[in-house]
Amino acid sequence: GAVVSQHPSRVICKSGTSVKIECRSLDFQATTMFWYRQFPKQSLMLMATSNEGSKATYEQGVEKDKFLINHASLTLSTLTVTSAHPEDSSFYICSIEAGGPHEQFFGPGTRLTVL
Amino acid sequence: EDKVVQSPLSLVVHEGDTVTLNCSYEVTNFRSLLWYKQEKKAPTFLFMLTSSGIEKKSGRLSSILDKKELFSILNITATQTGDSAVYLCAVGYNDMRFGAGTRLTVKP
Repeated sequence: GAVVSQHPSRVICKSGTSVKIECRSLDFQATTMFWYRQFPKQSLMLMATSNEGSKATYEQGVEKDKFLINHASLTLSTLTVTSAHPEDSSFYICSIEAGGPHEQFFGPGTRLTVL
Repeated sequence: EDKVVQSPLSLVVHEGDTVTLNCSYEVTNFRSLLWYKQEKKAPTFLFMLTSSGIEKKSGRLSSILDKKELFSILNITATQTGDSAVYLCAVGYNDMRFGAGTRLTVKP
């Protein structure tokens, strides 16, 4: 399967600052990448679909001005949490669509803690 | 480094067959193992397992965890074409590491 990396793996920031999370596809040119937020215990919430060279498609309830997504190349998508607040603290996971339909490969995730 | 390995990577069966999907793991901190079914963009939650030997069941799907041998299985009995999907397992404490998934195709 495809290999996906995320950077950083952990970040702690002060309230009001912006944080950028990178998602890289190491061995596959990914036209489509997905950003998820994991809530405690079980649920995985899809935040947005990132399309190379075009605007991201956000899910209902996700603020596009708050969570900026840039898919600048076929191997890199970034998620910037702007003016982060403690309620944004979470585990953010990206995935790429590769191989068959609905086949996604997940990155290792980024733990964001906003103080 | 934490690892979650699913097998097989893909599987083709006929309706009515029973399938067993495997998930083995090596993680630094373990609290739970989760199974998801992925058909569309976002995976759908199936089971959360935290204790060894206790089977979780939902209809034709069941799952069990072995914390000594570090693996879980997901069983699907009397498969239907609607079971065709990618099945993902994720393991960890607060932060979950995902496996690569098993693509199940059920033919009529």
